[in-house]
Amino acid sequence: DAMVIQNPRYQVTQFGKPVTLSCSQTLNHNVMYWYQQKSSQAPKLLFHYYDKDFNNEADTPDNFQSRRPNTSFCFLDIRSPGLGDAAMYLCATSRDQLSASYNEQFFGPGTRLTVL
Amino acid sequence: KNQVEQSPQSLIILEGKNCTLQCNYTVSPFSNLRWYKQDTGRGPVSLTIMTFSENTKSNGRYTATLDADTKQSSLHITASQLSDSASYICVVISPSDYKLSFGAGTTVTVRA
Repeated sequence: DAMVIQNPRYQVTQFGKPVTLSCSQTLNHNVMYWYQQKSSQAPKLLFHYYDKDFNNEADTPDNFQSRRPNTSFCFLDIRSPGLGDAAMYLCATSRDQLSASYNEQFFGPGTRLTVL
Repeated sequence: KNQVEQSPQSLIILEGKNCTLQCNYTVSPFSNLRWYKQDTGRGPVSLTIMTFSENTKSNGRYTATLDADTKQSSLHITASQLSDSASYICVVISPSDYKLSFGAGTTVTVRA
């Protein structure tokens, strides 16, 4: 049973054309994360929500925005995709802070973004 | 400089053999250390979670060890299977909220 669902799995967009990636979860977790992962690299945290509180990583470009309209859904908006934004985008959830070791983090399958 | 270094970058092993992956970190203080398995084109899946007071944690054929004094962790895969072919990522969690430090991963290829 899918717990963290990402749509679409593959997304192709044109240079500069806005794109939205979606993530939904059936776990009722408080925290949702967006990561960017480029080929052969580790995932890079872009931002996360604790409930409705938005937390942006310091080096996340302004080109990336996020929305969390309710507990279950979170969106990643890329306002003007550049060639360098082509990557796998991973959504993840956790019940609470990962500093508590009993909180597992669950990842979705990812959306692979291609920018033409 | 990355605070979490993994080695080797990649390795190839024959099915049925054992292997050990290394993770050295400089993150301090830290709350817990996690190993994830990531299949090609998929999201990471948690294998083990260890706090600084734990020395070893097993999950089936996967055994993680932690030496908080030397800031080293290892992931041992026993009797490897073809399905173990994946990238293995070490992540160190700081006590401060949501500070995650990822290693670059070790790519394991198991051959028949």
